[in-house]
Amino acid sequence: DAGVTQSPTHLIKTRGQQVTLRCSPKSGHDTVSWYQQALGQGPQFIFQYYEEEERQRGNFPDRFSGHQFPNYSSELNVNALLLGDSALYLCASTPNIGATQYFGPGTRLTVL
Amino acid sequence: SQQGEEDPQALSIQEGENATMNCSYKTSINNLQWYRQNSGRGLVHLILIRSNEREKHSGRLRVTLDTSKKSSSLLITASRAADTASYFCATEGGGADGLTFGKGTHLIIQP
Repeated sequence: DAGVTQSPTHLIKTRGQQVTLRCSPKSGHDTVSWYQQALGQGPQFIFQYYEEEERQRGNFPDRFSGHQFPNYSSELNVNALLLGDSALYLCASTPNIGATQYFGPGTRLTVL
Repeated sequence: SQQGEEDPQALSIQEGENATMNCSYKTSINNLQWYRQNSGRGLVHLILIRSNEREKHSGRLRVTLDTSKKSSSLLITASRAADTASYFCATEGGGADGLTFGKGTHLIIQP
């Protein structure tokens, strides 16, 4: 049983560019959440997707957007990248609200 | 904003000793979860304790929850070098909400 997978592992972009990160949830999970983790900090909630719709959103600007596909996989898009967007981006999946969230290995984004 | 605050920020102990980490939070919760993270990679789920529970055990782990004090503790008994990692507490409130994490405790187990 594959766990949560994310791609790519590492990514280097320059300021102003756009980036798309991908996540496949654990088998049987239909809810996907995205988190941003800056160096030395705990993860910060970006948003959560369920039934292909954004259900909840944290305190992130509109430059951060997402999508969930019918197979429950998800994408995180960040436009107009800033140096401060450099972080580890984590995806987590869960079968329902209040259940354990399982995290993927993350995508490390570096913005130069 | 981060609701959970772990204490201490860093902890270094000898292999075989017990390690205790504490977490405080600010608002009501549905559950509290503890995670481990090695070298800035993905988070590994350790244990979930619901708001109506006071204590849970899993192997060498013991978690307590005191909702009146809005605090939780994680005890790792008989520590091993492989336990060296950062440990985070995360709370989940009512509704379709994400997890709110603290800044973590960095645990170093010295052989």
